[in-house]
Amino acid sequence: DVKVTQSSRYLVKRTGEKVFLECVQDMDHENMFWYRQDPGLGLRLIYFSYDVKMKEKGDIPEGYSVSREKKERFSLILESASTNQTSMYLCAIMTSSSTDTQYFGPGTRLTVL
Amino acid sequence: QKEVEQNSGPLSVPEGAIASLNCTYSDRVSQSFFWYRQYSGKSPELIMSIYSNGDKEDGRFTAQLNKASQYVSLLIRDSQPSDSATYLCAVRNGGATNKLIFGTGTLLAVQP
Repeated sequence: DVKVTQSSRYLVKRTGEKVFLECVQDMDHENMFWYRQDPGLGLRLIYFSYDVKMKEKGDIPEGYSVSREKKERFSLILESASTNQTSMYLCAIMTSSSTDTQYFGPGTRLTVL
Repeated sequence: QKEVEQNSGPLSVPEGAIASLNCTYSDRVSQSFFWYRQYSGKSPELIMSIYSNGDKEDGRFTAQLNKASQYVSLLIRDSQPSDSATYLCAVRNGGATNKLIFGTGTLLAVQP
């Protein structure tokens, strides 16, 4: 079974804080993704990574950065959190480029006050 | 026009009925299509993937793909209250990236 874990289920931060969200997979999958999900807007891709130290911007990268120093770990960083970054953050991995199926972690509900 | 469109619902069906969920997409060269189920407060879980025209069945679920009409659907037979959730359609377009484009989802409510 594919296993994707995220560092926190719920997180409350203050405006201006630096926030780290971590995603860890238990296999050797190359492709990892960060999404945010908001009511009425659906899932929107923030960043993705197709290998260690490799990253590409998704559709809404502004205000975010990412880090992938090891294959199993993909971090999303909010350099200076703002209230409009309050959202559900979902990490996903792709098990194989040939099947391009994505599996999601449990999600982190981030509230920025 | 949104790249992947779904009716937001709610779609209400009685227990035991067939629920039909629909999705249209705009990129003609899309290759891969997925249905995810998402319970309130939880993350999406994969139900079905489909890659070629026609029907694909898995238990009570059937995915239908019509590339000419740019249309993909999910049928749920013998609907159960536990099927009540939001169903997300996702499409991988024809480009070289591994990105999926998601619809905003259809809320299904199965009435006991």
